[in-house]
Amino acid sequence: EDQVTQSPEALRLQEGESSSLNCSYTVSGLRGLFWYRQDPGKGPEFLFTLYSAGEEKEKERLKATLTKKESFLHITAPKPEDSATYLCAVQARPNSGGSNYKLTFGKGTLLTVNP
Amino acid sequence: DTGVSQDPRHKITKRGQNVTFRCDPISEHNRLYWYRQTLGQGPEFLTYFQNEAQLEKSRLLSDRFSAERPKGSFSTLEIQRTEQGDSAMYLCASSVGQGAYEQYFGPGTRLTVT
Repeated sequence: EDQVTQSPEALRLQEGESSSLNCSYTVSGLRGLFWYRQDPGKGPEFLFTLYSAGEEKEKERLKATLTKKESFLHITAPKPEDSATYLCAVQARPNSGGSNYKLTFGKGTLLTVNP
Repeated sequence: DTGVSQDPRHKITKRGQNVTFRCDPISEHNRLYWYRQTLGQGPEFLTYFQNEAQLEKSRLLSDRFSAERPKGSFSTLEIQRTEQGDSAMYLCASSVGQGAYEQYFGPGTRLTVT
């Protein structure tokens, strides 16, 4: 069964203090790893898709990287508006003859950036 | 692009009542998904449709839950005989294309069963 573990559960940073969030995963065959941002009371907002080990993607202050067992979301010089829950999810390759599009999510990391 | 919309945004019901939620995906997205999220947890997959065909259902989807996408556009999720354990955020998402394409989520429907 696919599993995603995110750490830490919560992270509190000062504005400008860079850090990283971790996502460890176990999946039979990775089709894609996804990062989402979720604000309180809202649906997840798509950030990145990573497909293979060694791949990196960037967007503003965020950079996502992928290895064969984990992904990191690096936050450089965060601002208070970066405060949110960051969710990691995996999509597995389907078994032969089947289809699989469901995402398996971790519990998320609650990031708080203080001014 | 108007995004995924869900209705209602909030629903309070008494235990034992039936409820129905609606999801309108991004136009031309052929896949539509339902997830459930409880406090402090990530979304959990319930079911998904490709066009009008329901292709996968989670073990979480008990007999009291049913989902439809009759014309391959909007979808409904019905919960019969609601229980307090059904209280959660119900999220809808849609995607297009083959392979690992991102899913775009709606704002969710918050269900409270009293």
